[in-house]
Amino acid sequence: GESVGLHLPTLSVQEGDNSIINCAYSNSASDYFIWYKQESGKGPQFIIDIRSNMDKRQGQRVTVLLNKTVKHLSLQIAATQPGDSAVYFCAEKGPPDYKLSFGAGTTVTVRA
Amino acid sequence: KAGVTQTPRYLIKTRGQQVTLSCSPISGHRSVSWYQQTPGQGLQFLFEYFSETQRNKGNFPGRFSGRQFSNSRSEMNVSTLELGDSALYLCASSLNSGVEKLFFGSGTQLSVL
Repeated sequence: GESVGLHLPTLSVQEGDNSIINCAYSNSASDYFIWYKQESGKGPQFIIDIRSNMDKRQGQRVTVLLNKTVKHLSLQIAATQPGDSAVYFCAEKGPPDYKLSFGAGTTVTVRA
Repeated sequence: KAGVTQTPRYLIKTRGQQVTLSCSPISGHRSVSWYQQTPGQGLQFLFEYFSETQRNKGNFPGRFSGRQFSNSRSEMNVSTLELGDSALYLCASSLNSGVEKLFFGSGTQLSVL
């Protein structure tokens, strides 16, 4: 899940700027992390994932960074667009139960 | 390829009633997971089914149950509904159990009055 200290429940971004969404996870043994985007009235949609043997992974306009030392995960969105307005969730998976555990979510609002 | 389909989309029930929600996974996907989403608690794992067997279970009371059929379709049932059961119930499928990337349906919005 996400710790209160690092997690911002809302983020307002100017269109065209880069967005950074942070997530602090709780299980130091987690070996898989994933980001989802949830738009209003829809289920979560996969964005990007990363395994614990990596510290960075890039997709189309998105980059996920993993810092295992401080148990921190971030999602960077380049050139944020109005369609990026949504709630973003990070999730982790690891022992003992290996079920995907979700953070509280960050609501991103893109200003025109 | 069709996505994960959940029915019904909306449901209104009263306290004490029971409800059954349905989920059809993506064709070829054999694992189905269920999550409860509420504004206060976020996404909470209910259970996972694979090959008609429950593989994993979250911390929910026994009123919450599920099953999976031979065609991988799944149902979840909530008996003796309480006001606090009002939530969006999300179903997600994956190719196999243990495959982390889940594909979610749009959910069933349950309101308990």
